[in-house]
Amino acid sequence: GQQVMQIPQYQHVQEGEDFTTYCNSSTTLSNIQWYKQRPGGHPVFLIQLVKSGEVKKQKRLTFQFGEAKKNSSLHITATQTTDVGTYFCAGYNYGQNFVFGPGTRLSVLP
Amino acid sequence: GAVVSQHPSRVICKSGTSVKIECRSLDFQATTMFWYRQFPKQSLMLMATSNEGSKATYEQGVEKDKFLINHASLTLSTLTVTSAHPEDSSFYICSARSGANTIYFGEGSWLTVV
Repeated sequence: GQQVMQIPQYQHVQEGEDFTTYCNSSTTLSNIQWYKQRPGGHPVFLIQLVKSGEVKKQKRLTFQFGEAKKNSSLHITATQTTDVGTYFCAGYNYGQNFVFGPGTRLSVLP
Repeated sequence: GAVVSQHPSRVICKSGTSVKIECRSLDFQATTMFWYRQFPKQSLMLMATSNEGSKATYEQGVEKDKFLINHASLTLSTLTVTSAHPEDSSFYICSARSGANTIYFGEGSWLTVV
């Protein structure tokens, strides 16, 4: 079945440094979603990417969908302590359910 | 504000008893809801897909008789953990599909079985 992997599993950065998490699917995806889960909280939808090669920005966050629609990345510029949490990608294929990656846990040291 | 409400947020129950968790979509109709279990510092594990008016579809390895799912209306799905044991203690979270591909998560429910 479809598998979704994320790297790295953990990332510790100094406040102000950049951060990137990568998401890779074993199959071609219809679309991909990104979620953020704060410690003790529930996942919150960030964005959905649909088109091959699509790039979307939300303030300091940049999301990219690969040309082959099998991988994606989330890049945070100049991290802040409020960015702390686990970032999940979820891959979707029509007629199937979303498959979540294992997540990347981000720690930001002040 | 929250578009998917989950209740209770925390529950403690005695071993052997049953616990019901509710998931409600507040301002949209959700023909499909999903139930996940999340262990500490791990990803979301899909337990079952709940379809309004029909039986839930369980993922491999999830006991149907232990985790009863009912989706009686377009805005409510319930998960009942029957004969709970300490190993069932976990964070249970639901999500609801709005439209084609937008998913909203509930706030989650912490279950502790003592």
